[in-house]
Amino acid sequence: SAVISQKPSRDICQRGTSLTIQCQVDSQVTMMFWYRQQPGQSLTLIATANQGSEATYESGFVIDKFPISRPNLTFSTLTVSNMSPEDSSIYLCSVVGGQDTQYFGPGTRLTVL
Amino acid sequence: QKEVEQNSGPLSVPEGAIASLNCTYSDRVSQSFFWYRQYSGKSPELIMSIYSNGDKEDGRFTAQLNKASQYVSLLIRDSQPSDSATYLCAVSAGGTSYGKLTFGQGTILTVHP
Repeated sequence: SAVISQKPSRDICQRGTSLTIQCQVDSQVTMMFWYRQQPGQSLTLIATANQGSEATYESGFVIDKFPISRPNLTFSTLTVSNMSPEDSSIYLCSVVGGQDTQYFGPGTRLTVL
Repeated sequence: QKEVEQNSGPLSVPEGAIASLNCTYSDRVSQSFFWYRQYSGKSPELIMSIYSNGDKEDGRFTAQLNKASQYVSLLIRDSQPSDSATYLCAVSAGGTSYGKLTFGQGTILTVHP
């Protein structure tokens, strides 16, 4: 299984600001995924980050709000822009291992005041 | 709209008992099925994956898949207090949706001594 790290592990931000979350994997992977887990809820896929191409976003998520970068095969960033308290969530990156199994990073716990 | 539904919880079982967790999914083209365990404040941890009809056993865990009924379950034998967590059912359609997981809402399991 892949070893995934995320930075920061948690943050408290003011509304209207932006936060960039970093995800680092210990091996090269084609696709990386970003999920959101709102308080008391399950996980929802935000977007798929492919190296060398634009990220693909799921319904309800847009690039202006959640811009994603994927500069190489081991790294990706997710920015949460113009934050509001509704953006308070845990943000998780994940990668696919063998046989379509997916492994998650430790998550970034974001609180927006 | 792809949906994954889990049996409502919370589920409470005594130590040593069998815990039964159920999940149904709406997308008939789903190919890969996963059970994740999530402890409070932690990211999801993969415990079982299943891809074909029937049973798959791994230690105290048994996953069961019935594609005709669009049903997947997880049995935990000899439940331990350390099994107390939220269990998430996740489904992937594969193909162009490779790696994209749709999660159920989760079932909270409590194993009491």
